[in-house]
Amino acid sequence: GAVVSQHPSWVICKSGTSVKIECRSLDFQATTMFWYRQFPKQSLMLMATSNEGSKATYEQGVEKDKFLINHASLTLSTLTVTSAHPEDSSFYICSASDSSSEAFFGQGTRLTVV
Amino acid sequence: AQTVTQSQPEMSVQEAETVTLSCTYDTSESDYYLFWYKQPPSRQMILVIRQEAYKQQNATENRFSVNFQKAAKSFSLKISDSQLGDAAMYFCAKPFYNQGGKLIFGQGTELSVKP
Repeated sequence: GAVVSQHPSWVICKSGTSVKIECRSLDFQATTMFWYRQFPKQSLMLMATSNEGSKATYEQGVEKDKFLINHASLTLSTLTVTSAHPEDSSFYICSASDSSSEAFFGQGTRLTVV
Repeated sequence: AQTVTQSQPEMSVQEAETVTLSCTYDTSESDYYLFWYKQPPSRQMILVIRQEAYKQQNATENRFSVNFQKAAKSFSLKISDSQLGDAAMYFCAKPFYNQGGKLIFGQGTELSVKP
């Protein structure tokens, strides 16, 4: 299957700083990438959808100024958590799609804000 | 609105036994995909099995099979000969209308396997 690489796997940052998470499709062109947030023992909650070269579409309740998404190429999307606070601590997962109905997932990033 | 529902937060099975995880969904589409994903403690999402709605035959992947009831909008996962490595969270998922890999997930079922 297709490979999606997410980096970093885990990150600790200080409150008030920003952190960037990368999502790369290694062996296919991802026309669309998705960012999810997952709390312990809960399901994946879609945060936003990004298409290459255009602005991301955010789900209701997701602050677009806090969670900046850039999809500059067909193989890379980034999620930047700006001015992070402890409540932003979570597990973030990206997935990438090549316009089929299947999505390929990255390994996820565990963010801890201290 | 489309929904995917897993009504079993936790399930337990004895090693080598069979267990069935339930999933129901709501849609007005006639053709669509359905997926079961496994999320082990590493939290990597692993595709277990997929079903195409227009296919009447239930999908099978080794020890994993589904019981797809289109009219009832039911999509259960059967794990045969359960192994310790099957212990994980299992999510049922369905794509949004015509939106490719954008998935709606069920609440998840945490499966434990007893030796």
